[in-house]
Amino acid sequence: SYELTQPPSVSVSPGQTARITCSGDALPKQYAYWYQQKPGQAPVLVIYKDSERPSGIPERFSGSSSGTTVTLTISGVQAEDEADYYCQSADSSGTYPWVFGGGTKLTVL
Amino acid sequence: EVQLVESGGGLVKPGGSLRLSCAASGFTFSSYSMNWVRQAPGKGLEWVSSISSSSSYIYYADSVKGRFTISRDNAKNSLYLQMNSLRAEDTAVYYCARETSGIEYSSSSHYYYYYMDVWGKGTTVTVSS
Repeated sequence: SYELTQPPSVSVSPGQTARITCSGDALPKQYAYWYQQKPGQAPVLVIYKDSERPSGIPERFSGSSSGTTVTLTISGVQAEDEADYYCQSADSSGTYPWVFGGGTKLTVL
Repeated sequence: EVQLVESGGGLVKPGGSLRLSCAASGFTFSSYSMNWVRQAPGKGLEWVSSISSSSSYIYYADSVKGRFTISRDNAKNSLYLQMNSLRAEDTAVYYCARETSGIEYSSSSHYYYYYMDVWGKGTTVTVSS
């Protein structure tokens, strides 16, 4: 089965830039999406189609893609950004588009 | 306000059954595919099942295939998940999620997109004797 690989954790100081990566063989051919989940809450979509930002999501959240890796970048990290972040994409055939990465815990020091 | 509200979770014994419901409001429910996604305690997100807007296309994760059945009633703006032969490993928070999907065309190719843009708060299922 298809897998998306994320680092388990990323730590950053307030005001710095956090970068969370997601790797998968099919990413050059498939869009990626990012979700933020705070403790006890439902996930929230923060990036869609690699780099698009839904309305209401702060501009400090951005996404990019390069080869088999996509990156969620949070510029000027704030304490409220501490959360788990999950990438989602599809396998190369697109048969199963709802594959999630294992998640990355962002800690704001 | 666009909203999804899950219900039906609870404590059930291994081998038992449970039916989850998801009530949608604030959008045209019949125009969207819908999904169930679960999260075991302390674990990540796991997609469970998907149903297209008219119920023509239904998909399941291998982990639940043959045991779970997804359905919807567009007249009632409701999504369901019938869970049979439940196992301890099915213990999780179950989220209902709206899917936005489509196709984009470029001069040389096309790209499908699927993402979950609205989520409910979830309902907890515990399978234990």
